[in-house]
Amino acid sequence: DQQVKQNSPSLSVQEGRISILNCDYTNSMFDYFLWYKKYPAEGPTFLISISSIKDKNEDGRFTVFLNKSAKHLSLHIVPSQPGDSAVYFCAASARAAGNKLTFGGGTRVLVKP
Amino acid sequence: GAVVSQHPSRVICKSGTSVKIECRSLDFQATTMFWYRQFPKQSLMLMATSNEGSKATYEQGVEKDKFLINHASLTLSTLTVTSAHPEDSSFYICSAIRAGLYEQYFGPGTRLTVT
Repeated sequence: DQQVKQNSPSLSVQEGRISILNCDYTNSMFDYFLWYKKYPAEGPTFLISISSIKDKNEDGRFTVFLNKSAKHLSLHIVPSQPGDSAVYFCAASARAAGNKLTFGGGTRVLVKP
Repeated sequence: GAVVSQHPSRVICKSGTSVKIECRSLDFQATTMFWYRQFPKQSLMLMATSNEGSKATYEQGVEKDKFLINHASLTLSTLTVTSAHPEDSSFYICSAIRAGLYEQYFGPGTRLTVT
């Protein structure tokens, strides 16, 4: 049972345009959400997070939106840069359950120059 | 920043031997560390949660006698794959949580190949 899903396995976007990555979850106990960027044979790099008490968090080119009623979150990257090409993982945790992360399947992003 | 290191980055061992992987938080104290496993083109799967000074908590389906975890200090956790078999070949990644925060910071991973 996949509690965190990223339905788009890949995304291709032109440099300078917006990248929108989507993530859906089913467990209503999740109250903290994170996005990670990962290159092959490396560990994930933390990008941005959002608590369930917020609906938006922004950090530079990265913005995460949370729609609790729809159990949906998205990551916007604008403007996209070639260096953003990587696999992006959405992750969710329930702080009452010890902050264990449940990861989505990942979305591979390719930013074309 | 929060830096987590892993050693070794890559290891090849023969079937039946044991391999130890170290995970260190370099610039912060980590009350909790996690061990993940990633198969090619798949997501990260949590194996176990490691709390300093106590026994690790293993996820369902993970053999605790095969994957020994020790979290002896606030900056070091080790994962020992005992009696390794080719099916244990995988990419193992650790993460650490800085005390009082929620974000997990990941190590660079260890590629284990069992021949």
